[in-house]
Amino acid sequence: RKEVEQDPGPFNVPEGATVAFNCTYSNSASQSFFWYRQDCRKEPKLLMSVYSSGNEDGRFTAQLNRASQYISLLIRDSKLSDSATYLCVVIGLGTGFQKLVFGTGTRLLVSP
Amino acid sequence: DTEVTQTPKHLVMGMTNKKSLKCEQHMGHRAMYWYKQKAKKPPELMFVYSYEKLSINESVPSRFSPECPNSSLLNLHLHALQPEDSALYLCASSFEAGGSGNEQFFGPGTRLTVL
Repeated sequence: RKEVEQDPGPFNVPEGATVAFNCTYSNSASQSFFWYRQDCRKEPKLLMSVYSSGNEDGRFTAQLNRASQYISLLIRDSKLSDSATYLCVVIGLGTGFQKLVFGTGTRLLVSP
Repeated sequence: DTEVTQTPKHLVMGMTNKKSLKCEQHMGHRAMYWYKQKAKKPPELMFVYSYEKLSINESVPSRFSPECPNSSLLNLHLHALQPEDSALYLCASSFEAGGSGNEQFFGPGTRLTVL
């Protein structure tokens, strides 16, 4: 089983739609969680950190469910510019250093 | 300044060449990283530097040689690479290497092609 699993997609949605991605992680000791966005042939860019209490940044909402070991990302009112690959990233505790474990990414395509 | 810069953007080299990739950050971060990313795959960690010391080498072949001249700079020296080493090489930095919650910021990467 992979440490971090995501549905690769692609998710094809029209502009204005709401779309949700889930991600599961296997290491229950994981302590930090992030969503990164990666455009084609570009570097990953931090979208948001994910906290147990949930957090929102404009049209983006991230949630963490520690009991079920999954993380979600909700995008409301999708824009064409949201088309990208969304990477779920987890950091484990006790590794002594900050090793990011990446999911394989979920591809989102927003169409007019 | 929340930027990690990398040079060159693109590099084509032969299997007998020696070249270096450079990475720089001026955010006062004490941890720097090298990742390798193949097409349609997530980044794979290669090396971690913490306070200018190599902390982690993820079993990377010796034809890749990292160097951290100071807290702002990270190099990756390349020698006798193979065509399968062609990939996007990403540098990242974070405030600290240990603990939780330290977000990593990535540079734009060097797209390497080995002929």
